[in-house]
Amino acid sequence: ETVLTQSPDTLSLSPGERAILSCRASQSVSSKDLAWYQQKPGQAPRLLIYGASRRATGIPDRFSGSGSGTDFTLTIRRLEPEDFAVYYCQQYGSSPPLTFGGGTKVEIK
Amino acid sequence: QAQLVESGGGLVRPGGSLRLSCADSGFSFGDYYMSWIRQAPGKGLQWLSYISGSGSTIFYADSVKGRFTISRDNSKNSLYLQMNNLRTEDTAVYYCARGPGDTVTTGPFDIWGQGTMVAVSS
Repeated sequence: ETVLTQSPDTLSLSPGERAILSCRASQSVSSKDLAWYQQKPGQAPRLLIYGASRRATGIPDRFSGSGSGTDFTLTIRRLEPEDFAVYYCQQYGSSPPLTFGGGTKVEIK
Repeated sequence: QAQLVESGGGLVRPGGSLRLSCADSGFSFGDYYMSWIRQAPGKGLQWLSYISGSGSTIFYADSVKGRFTISRDNSKNSLYLQMNNLRTEDTAVYYCARGPGDTVTTGPFDIWGQGTMVAVSS
């Protein structure tokens, strides 16, 4: 099983600042099989990034993903008020179980 | 626009059973793998099971193996999760999601339903 560890647990930032979220895998993950999701309270998760760096349809270009092997990063270039949420990384390429990271909450400072 | 709608959640006693349904609209349902994912109150996301487009390939997380059964009816564009021998720790919002991938390649969970709440309590 590939364990994904996200850090930090919580990121306290102000609108306009840059957010950098980390996702570390317990074993190498193919870049094409790493995704990031955003979840707001009371809502289902929404796909942001897949293939480590490809933005999903309709996702603003202030969101970007990078990384390879065991270290992946989600960057939000300038935080908008609607970006304060919980973010999850997930790997979908290896044999089951498919796993999610524990999440990073981006909160308003 | 493609969307998924879950139904069937509710309150059930420990040891009881429940069947969740997920109806699709707006995409070629039979071309895609489909999954169930849950989220316990205040917790993160946990993948439970997926089924291939034809239904021939199925996998489960260890936590539900032997108790939950995933199935699909492509003629009705519907996905199901039969949950037996429910435990208090199964209390969660259950989501259906399209993915991981289609008949050609792997992919993320790109479409999610709104979720249905399952509460297991005596």
